[in-house]
Amino acid sequence: SQTIHQWPATLVQPVGSPLSLECTVEGTSNPNLYWYRQAAGRGLQLLFYSIGIDQISSEVPQNLSASRPQDRQFILSSKKLLLSDSGFYLCAWSIGGDEQFFGPGTRLTVL
Amino acid sequence: GQQLNQSPQSMFIQEGEDVSMNCTSSSIFNTWLWYKQDPGEGPVLLIALYKAGELTSNGRLTAQFGITRKDSFLNISASIPSDVGIYFCAPNFGNEKLTFGTGTRLTIIP
Repeated sequence: SQTIHQWPATLVQPVGSPLSLECTVEGTSNPNLYWYRQAAGRGLQLLFYSIGIDQISSEVPQNLSASRPQDRQFILSSKKLLLSDSGFYLCAWSIGGDEQFFGPGTRLTVL
Repeated sequence: GQQLNQSPQSMFIQEGEDVSMNCTSSSIFNTWLWYKQDPGEGPVLLIALYKAGELTSNGRLTAQFGITRKDSFLNISASIPSDVGIYFCAPNFGNEKLTFGTGTRLTIIP
């Protein structure tokens, strides 16, 4: 069966510091991978998605970037965090693009 | 771009009551998905609808794909405490991306 992991689970970072969040999927090959951000009490905003290694599509201009160095690894990064980067970051995978399956999320607080 | 409206925004009900929520759009979609999110966790897929007019049940949950392909509803019968959470509709045009509704927050009053 497929599983998706995210780490860290929680993170507190100062403004201006770098960021690296990791997502890995097990039990499937060549998945579509997604990064979402969810502000408190709000819906999910799609940040990036990837249909293959080194193939990244950005949905909104922002202070973040994504990379996919391996088939089942998706990384979200920033060189300098802003206060507005705080939120709940969710990674998801799908096969074929319809049903997406989410990881447990990373709670990021930028102070 | 397409507009996706989910309502109600929040619901306060007593245990045992039935719940109904819906999503409407100005656009036609190929797929309607419904997710539930518990506090501090990732959303979990509840029901997937693939055909206009399709009515699908999953235990106490029932969802329908509107015949116009622009709307969908989710019903929960005989609510229990573990139904508390945020419910999202998430339709798809048939590409790699989902569009998420703003969510319906369900609270059960003791």
